[in-house]
Amino acid sequence: DGGITQSPKYLFRKEGQNVTLSCEQNLNHDAMYWYRQDPGQGLRLIYYSQIVNDFQKGDIAEGYSVSREKKESFPLTVTSAQKNPTAFYLCASSEQGFSSGANVLTFGAGSRLTVL
Amino acid sequence: DAKTTQPPSMDCAEGRAANLPCNHSTISGNEYVYWYRQIHSQGPQYIIHGLKNNETNEMASLIITEDRKSSTLILPHATLRDTAVYYCIVRVSDDMRFGAGTRLTVKP
Repeated sequence: DGGITQSPKYLFRKEGQNVTLSCEQNLNHDAMYWYRQDPGQGLRLIYYSQIVNDFQKGDIAEGYSVSREKKESFPLTVTSAQKNPTAFYLCASSEQGFSSGANVLTFGAGSRLTVL
Repeated sequence: DAKTTQPPSMDCAEGRAANLPCNHSTISGNEYVYWYRQIHSQGPQYIIHGLKNNETNEMASLIITEDRKSSTLILPHATLRDTAVYYCIVRVSDDMRFGAGTRLTVKP
């Protein structure tokens, strides 16, 4: 089945440690996105990538980094500079970026990060 | 900031139609309206989208007003499994912004 796989589902980290969340898609989608969700809140965009080797900051990029070396992969690193990293992280993809037409997002199941 | 306004919560009786409103008064002519839903601790699920015309699929119907400033998502026969947070979003030029959505509770 085509879809998006996020791993790990749950992750614990100590303060001061970097952690990388994996996001892989086999939908042959060009665009990929990372969102953060805090309890009772909507989704906030961290980073997005419309094409391999290119990505743009979203609303809350500080303390995060990404790479897009392959079309199917868009890992997110939560660095020690992120002051409140405990959250639910969601990865998504779409056939195309924002250039034109409809842009339906397919989401992964999410990764829950807890900083101890 | 989200470009849409939704009520924070709604209740619906099981088997009845659930009508979820959304205001998007600043929508541009080429912007689509999308609806997603999120069941607790899962990734959001796409439901339906539209530009000008009303749309229907196996999950729901989308009614968009003629001036496109508001829309309504209709779940024709709500079940307990439809309890979720429903997000109405309008495509922005460089991102897809999700607000807090409407928490729909379907009651027996």
